[in-house]
Amino acid sequence: EVQMLESGGGLEQPGGSLRLSCAASGFILSNYAMNWVRQAPGKGLEWVSGFSVGGANTNYADSVKGRFTISRDNSKNTLYLQMNSLRVEDTAVYYCARGSGISHWGQGTLVTVSS
Amino acid sequence: DIQMTQSPSSLSASVGDTVTITCRASHGIDKSLAWFQQKPGKAPKSLIYLASNLQSGVPSKFSGSGSGIDFTLTISSLQPEDFATYYCQQYSNYPYTFGQGTKLEIK
Repeated sequence: EVQMLESGGGLEQPGGSLRLSCAASGFILSNYAMNWVRQAPGKGLEWVSGFSVGGANTNYADSVKGRFTISRDNSKNTLYLQMNSLRVEDTAVYYCARGSGISHWGQGTLVTVSS
Repeated sequence: DIQMTQSPSSLSASVGDTVTITCRASHGIDKSLAWFQQKPGKAPKSLIYLASNLQSGVPSKFSGSGSGIDFTLTISSLQPEDFATYYCQQYSNYPYTFGQGTKLEIK
């Protein structure tokens, strides 16, 4: 069974950093395009970052470019999102999602940026 | 960036009805379009990929069509569990982008 479990969310001050993890099971993460998608409270879905199929290329939304870094550890079958220089507007539930035409979602982890 | 525009933003319907949601891309995306359903407090659920292909386990009451710029999601024989918010997403070009969502409510 395909499962993805996010962790690492929490409360952080503006300007701070957090690292989100997405532990995958039931499939080999490196064989798929992988994404981070977020949803601010009461708002719609926003694609944040992703690896293309094969994992050679990383891509970012303009809103996080230069501040967030996507990576993965194939030995741990885990996807990461390093978030630096956090802003209040980064407050959201962050989901990891498998595939370009997304087929599976994690349950999400809440990131709150507030002083 | 490719902009995705859904219409309507909200929709009221009755149990048993058939409804259609549209999604328009600002540039052609061939068939690189997905549809998702989301209920309050829950992660999205994947319904359709490549514009018209049902994800595994999704009932045939959901159907998608379109190519290029204009796409539709049709839900037939609405049941109480179908009332939710629906999103389209293009994955033709990075950055991937979502529509703003369509909230389907019970009349």
